[in-house]
Amino acid sequence: TQLLEQSPQFLSIQEGENLTVYCNSSSVFSSLQWYRQEPGEGPVLLVTVVTGGEVKKLKRLTFQFGDARKDSSLHITAAQPGDTGLYLCAGSGGLLNSGGSNYKLTFGKGTLLTVNP
Amino acid sequence: EPEVTQTPSHQVTQMGQEVILRCVPISNHLYFYWYRQILGQKVEFLVSFYNNEISEKSEIFDDQFSVERPDGSNFTLKIRSTKLEDSAMYFCASRRGVGAYNSPLHFGNGTRLTVT
Repeated sequence: TQLLEQSPQFLSIQEGENLTVYCNSSSVFSSLQWYRQEPGEGPVLLVTVVTGGEVKKLKRLTFQFGDARKDSSLHITAAQPGDTGLYLCAGSGGLLNSGGSNYKLTFGKGTLLTVNP
Repeated sequence: EPEVTQTPSHQVTQMGQEVILRCVPISNHLYFYWYRQILGQKVEFLVSFYNNEISEKSEIFDDQFSVERPDGSNFTLKIRSTKLEDSAMYFCASRRGVGAYNSPLHFGNGTRLTVT
């Protein structure tokens, strides 16, 4: 069974600080997505990474996919209160004998980020 | 930008009752999904649907659950006899294909189901 572990579970920081959140698995994924979810809303896709070692930047957000495609990180530079939310990683594909499938996403539990002004 | 819409936003029902959750996926999308999120837990896959049939389902999706695309625009999730543990946020999602880069998954804002 594919599992994604996210850490930390909760993170509270001051505006302007940098932070990194992690998404780890013992399984290989064909692709990994990062979502942000606000209360009462559905997850909104931030980025998709596919290639091992891939790095993608989205303004102040930097996403990295591990070389072995088992882990990923999200780094936020100079966090702002508007970055507050639940950050979810989700993987798809991978080895069929570990439950991998191109049809479904396996989600982590998320990191709840609070950026205080 | 096109979006996935779900109705109702909140549904309260008594244990043992049937509920139907409704979704209108993005119009040119071909793959449809239901996920659920129990309060404080992770988002869990329930079922995927393509070409008018279920392509994959999880262990959660037992005989009490069914999905239907009755008219080419709506996509519904039916729970025949609700249990207390079915209380959760149910998200509908759709995508155009299954390619990771060119077919991102779009989620609706969910239906909060409360079973009393």
